[in-house]
Amino acid sequence: AQTVTQSQPEMSVQEAETVTLSCTYDTSESDYYLFWYKQPPSRQMILVIRQEAYKQQNATENRFSVNFQKAAKSFSLKISDSQLGDAAMYFCAYRSAMTGGGADGLTFGKGTHLIIQP
Amino acid sequence: NAGVTQTPKFQVLKTGQSMTLQCAQDMNHNSMYWYRQDPGMGLRLIYYSASEGTTDKGEVPNGYNVSRLNKREFSLRLESAAPSQTSVYFCASRLQAGYTFGSGTRLTVV
Repeated sequence: AQTVTQSQPEMSVQEAETVTLSCTYDTSESDYYLFWYKQPPSRQMILVIRQEAYKQQNATENRFSVNFQKAAKSFSLKISDSQLGDAAMYFCAYRSAMTGGGADGLTFGKGTHLIIQP
Repeated sequence: NAGVTQTPKFQVLKTGQSMTLQCAQDMNHNSMYWYRQDPGMGLRLIYYSASEGTTDKGEVPNGYNVSRLNKREFSLRLESAAPSQTSVYFCASRLQAGYTFGSGTRLTVV
């Protein structure tokens, strides 16, 4: 079974600065998807960014970018120019590219609580 | 608005009571999922349905049953609620690699 590890229970950053959230995963598969989700106090799960394992280029979405290191099984999220609205729980998640047998469900890490200091 | 709708948003049950959490999506997705989220944990998969008429167990299925009533609806039933089932429950649907989550149900079992 795949596992996802987020080693930082909480991170704090000054507004307008850059912060990096860490995620590592364990899998024997070669084809999969990785995700970062944001969960604000409203508890809504919001997709931040998605990476396909077969793509070598790191995904970016405006101020959000990832550093995907497939060999190291590492998938970190960088938030540039942090804003107060970025404060939330952030979850890293894994999904196999296979379907069936539960493989297409998401496996989540335990999350990182991001605090933005004004 | 297109998306995943969960009802109710909040519920308090007594130990031993039963209830059904409802989930409906209007995006014509084949796959639907039920997750639970406990404090300090990420979401964990309870059950999923790859298509209408099929359901399978996820990581933490004990104490739950599900029904995929039709393509739109996927319900989660607690037959005899226990305090360990106090959690926030999320329904989700999927098209290819894109998941859409409902807003969650906060369930407290006393």
